[in-house]
Amino acid sequence: TQLLEQSPQFLSIQEGENLTVYCNSSSVFSSLQWYRQEPGEGPVLLVTVVTGGEVKKLKRLTFQFGDARKDSSLHITAAQPGETGLYLCAGEITDSWGKLQFGAGTQVVVTP
Amino acid sequence: DAGVIQSPRHEVTEMGQEVTLRCKPISGHNSLFWYRQTMMRGLELLIYFNNNVPIDDSGMPEDRFSAKMPNASFSTLKIQPSEPRDSAVYFCASSNLIQVDVEKLFFGSGTQLSVL
Repeated sequence: TQLLEQSPQFLSIQEGENLTVYCNSSSVFSSLQWYRQEPGEGPVLLVTVVTGGEVKKLKRLTFQFGDARKDSSLHITAAQPGETGLYLCAGEITDSWGKLQFGAGTQVVVTP
Repeated sequence: DAGVIQSPRHEVTEMGQEVTLRCKPISGHNSLFWYRQTMMRGLELLIYFNNNVPIDDSGMPEDRFSAKMPNASFSTLKIQPSEPRDSAVYFCASSNLIQVDVEKLFFGSGTQLSVL
């Protein structure tokens, strides 16, 4: 059972366009993380959000945690081909002592 | 820092054979996780260790799967006997979990397992 639903499953855009990826759940998480995974490699942590309503920026990437800590979004402004990859959100299950639940991911393709 | 090291990168075996996947976590990390990734089910947590002790193995599919962590710098995931449905990418990840801190996982490059 996927506690975290990511949408869309697949996104293909041109270089310079903006995109938003969503991560939704009916469960409350202690924190939420976003990872990017490139072909043949493991996921790499991008950001962790902890507080409801929190917004974090990483260059052209903006991450937001919902007020109720059940959902999150990732927005990329002027996407670059190097940002192609599988974007995964992962929620830390409350009282699970560090256990993460991953979403299925959104495959993003940015073409030059 | 060399990061999390997994071996082999690729493994092709026949149904019924024993498969052993290996992982060396980042030095100083106290937690180690084994994940399996497939197109159908995404990333699934199989088992995790803290200070070499298995904490949660509820994700291990069945008795054919076993994992050990004999010391802080080495872990194995064994499948015996292997079946075609075990084909997946297996990831090892480590972290330095401090109580009440937020988990930050560092993943290896994975082992692509194909069971024919």
